[in-house]
Amino acid sequence: EVQLVESGGGVVQPGGSLRLSCGVSGFTLDDYAMHWVRQAPGKGLEWVSLISGDGSTTYYADSVKGRFTISRDTSKNSLYLQMSSLRTDDTALYYCAKDLDTYYYYGMDVWGQGTTVTVSS
Amino acid sequence: SSELTQDPAVSVALGQTVRITCQGDSLRNYDASWYQQRPGQAPLLVIYDKNVRPSGIPDRFSGSSSGSTASLTITGAQAEDEADYYCNSRHSHGEALVFGAGTKVTVL
Repeated sequence: EVQLVESGGGVVQPGGSLRLSCGVSGFTLDDYAMHWVRQAPGKGLEWVSLISGDGSTTYYADSVKGRFTISRDTSKNSLYLQMSSLRTDDTALYYCAKDLDTYYYYGMDVWGQGTTVTVSS
Repeated sequence: SSELTQDPAVSVALGQTVRITCQGDSLRNYDASWYQQRPGQAPLLVIYDKNVRPSGIPDRFSGSSSGSTASLTITGAQAEDEADYYCNSRHSHGEALVFGAGTKVTVL
């Protein structure tokens, strides 16, 4: 069974850092692009970042570019999102999602249940 | 504001047809995908590649596109279709992706 499990969320002060993890099972990270998508409380979905299946290419939303870094460790079957210089508007439920495509985007067909990040003083 | 524009809310009588639209310049060149999100749940892909349903998605869901508008149609809406629906596609500038703001579908 294909499964994604996010972890690492928590409460952090503005300007702080946090690393989210997404453990995957039932498939190989090499074969699929992976995404991070977030949802602020009571708001809609916001795409955050994508990493290609071979790990060679990454893309970011303008709102996080230069502050967030997506990466993966195939030996640990894990996807990561390193977040720094966090702002209050980064407060959200963060989902990882698997794409149907290997290199870019076709559709996010498997989602985790999310991990909550709260940025507050 | 999102580059993809959706109506905030629509309603449909049980068993009737509803169309949800998504407008944006990038849709002239790139296909949209559609996601259903029920309260408290993770999103679910219902349409990709303009009009392809993943395995397990009922055939009452269909997608189409014309010019700068993509549409998701639910033919014979059921109570369980009450949810938020989001379109998603590529940004008109660069390789970033973008979601529409979402449409809340109420089944009466």
